[in-house]
Parts: sequence; C-alpha cells; structure tokens
Amino acid sequence: KAGVTQTPRYLIKTRGQQVTLSCSPISGHRSVSWYQQTPGQGLQFLFEYFSETQRNKGNFPGRFSGRQFSNSRSEMNVSTLELGDSALYLCASSRGYSYNEQFFGPGTRLTVL
Amino acid sequence: KNEVEQSPQNLTAQEGEFITINCSYSVGISALHWLQQHPGGGIVSLFMLSSGKKKHGRLIATINIQEKHSSLHITASHPRDSAVYICAVRHLNSGGSNYKLTFGKGTLLTVNP
Repeated sequence: KAGVTQTPRYLIKTRGQQVTLSCSPISGHRSVSWYQQTPGQGLQFLFEYFSETQRNKGNFPGRFSGRQFSNSRSEMNVSTLELGDSALYLCASSRGYSYNEQFFGPGTRLTVL
Repeated sequence: KNEVEQSPQNLTAQEGEFITINCSYSVGISALHWLQQHPGGGIVSLFMLSSGKKKHGRLIATINIQEKHSSLHITASHPRDSAVYICAVRHLNSGGSNYKLTFGKGTLLTVNP
C-alpha cells in the first residue's frame, strides 16, 4: 500500500506570493492533518480535515487555509507569503476521525526569499 | 510554560546502553504519541498510548495518566536509533471530542558505536 505523498517536495517562493501544497493520503484514510515544522517553533498543528470538513484548526493566521476533496486528497494554501513561512510542511493521514495512529508524508520544504 | 515538555533535549549514548526519554504534559489528553524523525525530515509514528505500556521490539513506551507523564525506553541502543524523538499529545477539549495535536520540542538522541 502506498504511503502518504506530498507534492512538491521542494519549493522556493518570494515574499508576497502565494503557494499551494498537495497531500495524497494512504488509500482508505479519510482524515488529513497539516503541520508546520521550523527550527525555532518545532512542530505546530495547522488544521485537520475529515470527510471534506475542517474539524480542528491551530493558531495560525487566516493566510493559511486548506481544503479536502471527495477522494480525501487535501491541499493547503498560504497567501501573501512572509519570510517566516519558510518551513517544512508535513501532512499526515489516519483512518478515521478519532485518536488514530497518524502516518506522515515526507513533507514539502518551502523557502521564502 | 509549554503544554508538552520533553527531557532531555539532547542525549548521547554508547551502543548497547539503555535509553530513557521523558515527556510531561499539562492538559487533558485522549492519547499520546511518540514519533521518530531522522535527518531529512521523515517522521514515523512509534507508539500511540492512552494508558499503560506498549512494547515493540527494543522500544517500550509507558504512560501515567494521573501524573501526566510518559517515558520512551530503548533497550540495547544502536547507532541506527540516532534520531529526534518527539512526544505529541492529542488534547481532549471541554466538549469531550478529540482535538489538535501539540508537540514537544523533541529529544536529539545520538548513539555512538
């Protein structure tokens, strides 16, 4: 069974631009969560989607948004990029909306210049 | 004060030594996760606990809900165990439904041959 895939793996953008990252969960998994990892703050929760609905949201500004499609694939968007948005963005999928084991993707490394 | 505290931050051991990494948290939780992250970013879920103790190979994880504390033990450590180990808690919000994951800062383990 294929693991969680994320595209692109690496991305370089400039301040003010916007970016869309994609996550394909493990087949059969209906929950997708997004996380940001930086050297200073570590891992931080962005949001969680289940059955196309956002179930939980972390403490990030409205520039960060996401959605989930009917096939459980998810995208996150960051608008008006800032230098501080440079980070590793990880998504994780789990079977259901509960305290299920999460399976992480390899991440997208975003650099904002 | 962070909601999830890990200790130690850094740990260096000789091959074969018994390793303990600690995690304390201050919020009500529905589950606690131990994650492993190797250089390059990939994260693997090691354990998910809500009570008691779990064992997988040379790894053992315990949790004491009353004391809000968990430990990850590695027996007969090996250089391939060198990685960052991260504790994460899934909050139990006031409504009783599962909520976001909050992460510790991680423990960098280096096992020398």
